[in-house]
Amino acid sequence: DVKVTQSSRYLVKRTGEKVFLECVQDMDHENMFWYRQDPGLGLRLIYFSYDVKMKEKGDIPEGYSVSREKKERFSLILESASTNQTSMYLCASSWGHQETQYFGPGTRLLVL
Amino acid sequence: GQQVMQIPQYQHVQEGEDFTTYCNSSTTLSNIQWYKQRPGGHPVFLIQLVKSGEVKKQKRLTFQFGEAKKNSSLHITATQTTDVGTYFCAGFSRGNTDKLIFGTGTRLQVFP
Repeated sequence: DVKVTQSSRYLVKRTGEKVFLECVQDMDHENMFWYRQDPGLGLRLIYFSYDVKMKEKGDIPEGYSVSREKKERFSLILESASTNQTSMYLCASSWGHQETQYFGPGTRLLVL
Repeated sequence: GQQVMQIPQYQHVQEGEDFTTYCNSSTTLSNIQWYKQRPGGHPVFLIQLVKSGEVKKQKRLTFQFGEAKKNSSLHITATQTTDVGTYFCAGFSRGNTDKLIFGTGTRLQVFP
């Protein structure tokens, strides 16, 4: 079974803090993705990566950055957290282009 | 940018009633995927449709891809309480195969 894990299920941070969200997959998948999920808006793609050290902007990259130093690990960084970044963050991975995406359990982030 | 809308946003049904959610894209899709997210859970892949007019069945679930490859539907026959959750469609645009665009989701509640 594919396993995608995320470093925290719940996180509370203060405005201006630097926040790291980590995602690890154990299936040697090439592609990894970060989404945020908000009520009524569905899942919106923040960043994705097709290879180590490679990253591409998604639809809403502003205020975020990512890092992929190893194939199995994809980190999402909020350089200076703001209250409008309070959301559910979901990491996903897939074997190849247009393949099934496997999601982690999500991190619910609250920025005060 | 590309948009994928789903209707209805919410649906409450009595157990045993049928349910349908509709997915409409502003652009032609190369394929479409459907995911289910249980309350408190993460999206889980259900199925992928590729061909124009394609229909696939999984037990009580019937998935359809429109002839123009711009819309899709999911129909559940005789709903059960285990069907509760949010159903998302997601598609790759023909013009941009890198990003999976998720629909806004339909939340299904089933009353026993």
